[in-house]
Amino acid sequence: DADVTQTPRNRITKTGKRIMLECSQTKGHDRMYWYRQDPGLGLQLIYYSFDVKDINKGEISDGYSVSRQAQAKFSLSLESAIPNQTALYFCATSQGRNYNEQFFGPGTRLTVL
Amino acid sequence: GEDVEQSLFLSVREGDSSVINCTYTDSSSTYLYWYKQEPGAGLQLLTYIFSNMDMKQDQRLTVLLNKKDKHLSLRIADTQTGDSAIYFCAESIPNYGGATNKLIFGTGTLLAVQP
Repeated sequence: DADVTQTPRNRITKTGKRIMLECSQTKGHDRMYWYRQDPGLGLQLIYYSFDVKDINKGEISDGYSVSRQAQAKFSLSLESAIPNQTALYFCATSQGRNYNEQFFGPGTRLTVL
Repeated sequence: GEDVEQSLFLSVREGDSSVINCTYTDSSSTYLYWYKQEPGAGLQLLTYIFSNMDMKQDQRLTVLLNKKDKHLSLRIADTQTGDSAIYFCAESIPNYGGATNKLIFGTGTLLAVQP
């Protein structure tokens, strides 16, 4: 079984709809992250969480919100989806402080029409 | 500022060596990483190098770090078609007054291996 799972894997939605992307991990890591990937832009950090009570904005948090329901679960919400949020979204986890290897989920491809 | 740059595309023939380059701007990097993303999958760590090292070799992979020029490269020897993927470099820089590190990713280089 995969250590970091994301649901759904693919989603097509309409402008204005609320969408939730979910991430679960079995690695026992404290730290979880949400990124979006756009062609030619690499990965941009949306939100990150160092433990259940800690939530931090990343580079591009506008239009997104997150919830850390448990150590193993971190969900990303788009309150009112817009077409430029069409992208590939990745969840990642890590444990280290200095050596910060991150373990990625398989990604969710979101299309907003 | 924090910026990591890579060329977008590299094409090589099977059996040749591939060299993927990366430049970064933040001199406080502690670790630098190479991740591989295969089609339809997330990123997986390939290798990493600590910032006080110049070179690291791991089987077919050689990482070179030039701290003076802030340049990182990944050499893949005897490139195979299975190496076709997007390769991301990333630097780990201190955040929150050094309490933890954050990763800054490059734009990714698509490596296409021709048979």
